[in-house]
Amino acid sequence: GDSVTQTEGLVTLTEGLPVMLNCTYQTIYSNPFLFWYVQHLNESPRLLLKSFTDNKRTEHQGFHATLHKSSSSFHLQKSSAQLSDSALYYCALSEGNNRIFFGDGTQLVVKP
Amino acid sequence: NAGVIQTPRHKVTGKGQEATLWCEPISGHSAVFWYRQTIVQGLEFLTYFRNQAPIDDSGMPKERFSAQMPNQSHSTLKIQSTQPQDSAVYLCASSPYTGQLYFGEGSKLTVL
Repeated sequence: GDSVTQTEGLVTLTEGLPVMLNCTYQTIYSNPFLFWYVQHLNESPRLLLKSFTDNKRTEHQGFHATLHKSSSSFHLQKSSAQLSDSALYYCALSEGNNRIFFGDGTQLVVKP
Repeated sequence: NAGVIQTPRHKVTGKGQEATLWCEPISGHSAVFWYRQTIVQGLEFLTYFRNQAPIDDSGMPKERFSAQMPNQSHSTLKIQSTQPQDSAVYLCASSPYTGQLYFGEGSKLTVL
């Protein structure tokens, strides 16, 4: 069945350094939608990025990700981390009109 | 647009009591999802409806949990004979056709 894998449970880095959170997925659906959701402390998850176009970079709020169907990946990146980026990040997969599958989440901690 | 509305925001019940959580999705969204979130288990899928019809309840604990969507403007999640392990934040989300989720603020259930 469909699944999403986020290999890092916790990423800790210093403010100003680049961010990369890994996301790979499995699906038999040829046109999946991939999402990154961010959840700050005491808040609900909210959409950060989405894509369904192969090899096209999508950007929002300084973060970017590119869907690579050849490697089934949708890694989240940012050139320079900010303290306010500390949050829980979920990668998610949708087949468009069906259930949405979430990864286990990556907790990002940005230190001064 | 008020977003997804969940009530109550906080509920405390005694072990063995019943708890009912309500969700009002965003008008026009065709799907409603229920998730449970804890520190230990993370974000767990419970069930979802599309156009008010139950589609997938594979995440629901069968014996004590039930969900309904009697009309397009609200859904309920009922937990009978609540147990301490049911303590969690229950998140409702609605989705338009593309699968992007819009989460409510959640209902925090505490079972004493």
